[in-house]
Amino acid sequence: RKEVEQDPGPFNVPEGATVAFNCTYSNSASQSFFWYRQDCRKEPKLLMSVYSSGNEDGRFTAQLNRASQYISLLIRDSKLSDSATYLCVVWADNYGQNFVFGPGTRLSVLP
Amino acid sequence: NAGVTQTPKFQVLKTGQSMTLQCAQDMNHEYMSWYRQDPGMGLRLIHYSVGAGITDQGEVPNGYNVSRSTTEDFPLRLLSAAPSQTSVYFCASSYSGVQFFGPGTRLTVL
Repeated sequence: RKEVEQDPGPFNVPEGATVAFNCTYSNSASQSFFWYRQDCRKEPKLLMSVYSSGNEDGRFTAQLNRASQYISLLIRDSKLSDSATYLCVVWADNYGQNFVFGPGTRLSVLP
Repeated sequence: NAGVTQTPKFQVLKTGQSMTLQCAQDMNHEYMSWYRQDPGMGLRLIHYSVGAGITDQGEVPNGYNVSRSTTEDFPLRLLSAAPSQTSVYFCASSYSGVQFFGPGTRLTVL
């Protein structure tokens, strides 16, 4: 089983739609969780951290369920500019190999 | 601040050639890492460093060497390039669990 798994995608949605991505992780000692966004042929960039109580940033909402080892990202009112690959990232204090990236889920928002 | 910079942006090598990918950061981050990204696959960790003078292997270290003589610089050396090393290489530095990536180097090995 991979350490971090994500919905395989791709997701093709119309503008204005709501879309949700799921991510599961296997290391129960994981401590921090993030969503990164990667545009085509560009470097990944932090979208948002994921807190235990859940958090929201504009149209984006992230949720964490430690018991189920599950993270989600909800995007409301999708924009064309949201088209990208979304990477789930998990951090554990393993001294060194802290970060584990999921394979990513590609989103295409269609006009 | 320039953030994380990488050079070159593009490189074509012949099998057996060696080269060094440069990475520098001006944020005074202790943790730096190198990843490769291949089509359809996630980022895979090659080597990482938790501070100057300290490096360690990641998931896919074979064929690569690193050194960390200063906090700012973390070069990645390909010893004898192979077609399997054709990939996009990202360098990153980290602080408080957040990673900042360079723009990447696209490497093709013929």
